[in-house]
Amino acid sequence: GESVGLHLPTLSVQEGDNSIINCAYSNSASDYFIWYKQESGKGPQFIIDIRSNMDKRQGQRVTVLLNKTVKHLSLQIAATQPGDSAVYFCAENTRHSSASKIIFGSGTRLSIRP
Amino acid sequence: EAGVAQSPRYKIIEKRQSVAFWCNPISGHATLYWYQQILGQGPKLLIQFQNNGVVDDSQLPKDRFSAERLKGVDSTLKIQPAKLEDSAVYLCASSRGAGRSPQYFGPGTRLTVT
Repeated sequence: GESVGLHLPTLSVQEGDNSIINCAYSNSASDYFIWYKQESGKGPQFIIDIRSNMDKRQGQRVTVLLNKTVKHLSLQIAATQPGDSAVYFCAENTRHSSASKIIFGSGTRLSIRP
Repeated sequence: EAGVAQSPRYKIIEKRQSVAFWCNPISGHATLYWYQQILGQGPKLLIQFQNNGVVDDSQLPKDRFSAERLKGVDSTLKIQPAKLEDSAVYLCASSRGAGRSPQYFGPGTRLTVT
């Protein structure tokens, strides 16, 4: 079916360490994946995306890895900072009837320990 | 570049009343989305417009929810009559195209139905 899930609902990381947020998806036909960051009281903010013809993409302090074999997606944040505290959502683009649809997972809350 | 604008930011109504939300997408973005986000969950797509045409409204409760995007720019989402379970944040997003194109979100409208 069409579902995007996360392995952990919460993640606590020491400031300065790297964070890894994981996501599993179930639709092998999904061809595009996005990570969003949502701070309290705000809308989701686009972080990074990756197409299914890639297995890695890097941005500023963030890296997304895609493993299509096991249908797994991860977001790595280097040198985690207090400002990284938020809920992180992975989302997949899947075909529904004749239209593409972005489906969001339930999110992982990242908290930073000083 | 200005982001997605939404108003109001907060709304409290009693059940069976009606309410309307407004969204102004990023200039030049052809695709507009309305999402419902219940506390602790990821956003759920209600309706997707491509210019002023509906692409996907399969998850819109059409007996009480309606949306329009006249002239292919601004959009309004209406609930009439509201139920307690409609309490949520209503997010508007826009993208240049549909499918493999990142969506950019507005701040959302927090609706409380009492």
